[in-house]
Amino acid sequence: NAGVTQTPKFQVLKTGQSMTLQCAQDMNHNSMYWYRQDPGMGLRLIYYSASEGTTDKGEVPNGYNVSRLNKREFSLRLESAAPSQTSVYFCASLVRGPTEAFFGQGTRLTVV
Amino acid sequence: KQEVTQIPAALSVPEGENLVLNCSFTDSAIYNLQWFRQDPGKGLTSLLLIQSSQREQTSGRLNASLDKSSGRSTLYIAASQPGDSATYLCASQSTTDSWGKLQFGAGTQVVVTP
Repeated sequence: NAGVTQTPKFQVLKTGQSMTLQCAQDMNHNSMYWYRQDPGMGLRLIYYSASEGTTDKGEVPNGYNVSRLNKREFSLRLESAAPSQTSVYFCASLVRGPTEAFFGQGTRLTVV
Repeated sequence: KQEVTQIPAALSVPEGENLVLNCSFTDSAIYNLQWFRQDPGKGLTSLLLIQSSQREQTSGRLNASLDKSSGRSTLYIAASQPGDSATYLCASQSTTDSWGKLQFGAGTQVVVTP
C-alpha cells in the first residue's frame, strides 16, 4: 500500500520557469491538500480539494494553481516560479472532513 | 484564526529519559488534534490522533493528552531512544471547518543522545 506518492522528490527551477508537482493517493480518500513547509513557520495550506471536482484556496494560494484530475490525483502548478516559492511541498489526503491525515514524502523545490 | 504553538523549538535529552512535548492552541473549538513525526528530509508520519471527546490516546511508548479547556496537548514518549530523534509536529482540525484543514505548530526538534 503506497499511500500518498509525490513526484518529483527534488527540483531546481530558474526564476520564471513553470512546473507541475504531482500527487496521487491509493487510499480512496475524498479530500486532498497541498501544503508548503518553510523553516520556523510550520506547514501552511496552499490549496485543497474537498472532493473530486472541487478545489479551493488555502492560506497562501498566490502564484499557484491546482487541478483535481480524478479522485486519486491532485496536481499543483507553478506558472512562473519565484525565489519566494523555494520550499518543501507536501501533499496530504484524508477520507472526508476532520479525520486522520496522511502525507507524502515531499517535493523539495529550489528556485534560483 | 487558530494559532498553534510548540515550545520549545528544540530539545536535547539523554537516552532513557522521558520526553514531554507541548502543543498549545488558542481556539478550543477543535474537532481533533494530531501528532506527527518528521525525520530530516522526509515526510510526516502520523503518530496519534486525539478526538476532542477523548482525554488521551496511547500507542506503545507514546501517550498524548488533550485538555481543550486550557488549550493544551502533550505528547509523552517514555524511555527515549536515539531513534526517537526527529521533529515532532502537532496540528488541529477545527469544528468550524468541514473540510479537514490542518493548523500546524512549527514543531519541536528532538535529539536523544546515547
